[in-house]
Amino acid sequence: DAGVIQSPRHEVTEMGQEVTLRCKPISGHNSLFWYRQTMMRGLELLIYFNNNVPIDDSGMPEDRFSAKMPNASFSTLKIQPSEPRDSAVYFCASTLSSGVYEQYFGPGTRLTVT
Amino acid sequence: SQKIEQNSEALNIQEGKTATLTCNYTNYSPAYLQWYRQDPGRGPVFLLLIRENEKEKRKERLKVTFDTTLKQSLFHITASQPADSATYLCALANTGGFKTIFGAGTRLFVKA
Repeated sequence: DAGVIQSPRHEVTEMGQEVTLRCKPISGHNSLFWYRQTMMRGLELLIYFNNNVPIDDSGMPEDRFSAKMPNASFSTLKIQPSEPRDSAVYFCASTLSSGVYEQYFGPGTRLTVT
Repeated sequence: SQKIEQNSEALNIQEGKTATLTCNYTNYSPAYLQWYRQDPGRGPVFLLLIRENEKEKRKERLKVTFDTTLKQSLFHITASQPADSATYLCALANTGGFKTIFGAGTRLFVKA
């Protein structure tokens, strides 16, 4: 299996622009997580889905952030409009929800908002 | 609020020695505790999971203990090698294993 796939790997954008991050979970996994990692705040859970349904989005920092999972093999995290403080590495992870809780992380997307 | 504390300072040890990393938590009663390894520029990689009713778990050179009374987990790497140099993250999860909280991580350097 190719593992969790994220795109793009790097994104540089100007403040105010819309940013869309993409994730393809491991085939067969039915839970998906979006995290953000910064030096100051570490790894923070933003939102997670189970069977394509958002279960908890309490970690989403503001209404500028939104996430969707239209099917079992694809999810997006959108920031609109982006701000410099959104600069971070964004990780997607997936797992089986049937009692095995180890999460498999993607390589991350490094976002820089200037 | 829920809080996880890991050694903020880097841990430097000599090759062959045992590395011991600490994870303390407050205001939380996790059902599961996990340890992950993260190398620079990469996503975390799962190492071990221990449940609240387990005291100890081993995997090859790795050992994890979980003391729910002390609210502490210890992570040991025996016969450490330079390739073990990385950041190690402690993570807590509730029943169901979904809402996971990560510690800031401890940077480990193993010198040859």
